[in-house]
Amino acid sequence: DGGITQSPKYLFRKEGQNVTLSCEQNLNHDAMYWYRQDPGQGLRLIYYSQIVNDFQKGDIAEGYSVSREKKESFPLTVTSAQKNPTAFYLCASSMAVANYGYTFGSGTRLTVV
Amino acid sequence: GQNIDQPTEMTATEGAIVQINCTYQTSGFNGLFWYQQHAGEAPTFLSYNVLDGLEEKGRFSSFLSRSKGYSYLLLKELQMKDSASYLCAVRAPRQLTFGSGTQLTVLP
Repeated sequence: DGGITQSPKYLFRKEGQNVTLSCEQNLNHDAMYWYRQDPGQGLRLIYYSQIVNDFQKGDIAEGYSVSREKKESFPLTVTSAQKNPTAFYLCASSMAVANYGYTFGSGTRLTVV
Repeated sequence: GQNIDQPTEMTATEGAIVQINCTYQTSGFNGLFWYQQHAGEAPTFLSYNVLDGLEEKGRFSSFLSRSKGYSYLLLKELQMKDSASYLCAVRAPRQLTFGSGTQLTVLP
């Protein structure tokens, strides 16, 4: 079955450490996205990528970095520069055509202590 | 930029009908989506509107008026499992921008 996989589901890190969240899809989707969600709030776009080896900053890119070396993979690194990294992180993918919605992964809950 | 507004919370009774409204201001409108999200889980797709009018899918219907920048999600015959957050998202032109979500609580 095709889908989008995020790992791990829960992640704990010490303040000041970089951490990388994994996102893999086998849907042959061109575009991939990273969102952050804080309690009781909507999704805010961190980074997105429309094609391999290209990505764009979203609304809250500061303190984050990404790469898109393969179509299937779009890892997100939360760096020590991110002031409030504790959040629920969602990865999504979509076809490039306009009337397709997003398929979401199950999310990674990151807690920085 | 984009601006999407929806009520923060709503409460309804099991078996009833509830309407969740969403208003938006955007340029390059390319469709409106509704997602359901249970606590701690990923959003799941409910409906998509790109033309004016009503789209019905079982107990769920979604309406769009592009001239008014307005949409609603209608849930009929509410069940306890419908308690969740409902996210309105506008595609303009290619990326989705999400509203803050409406937390619906269904009471017995």
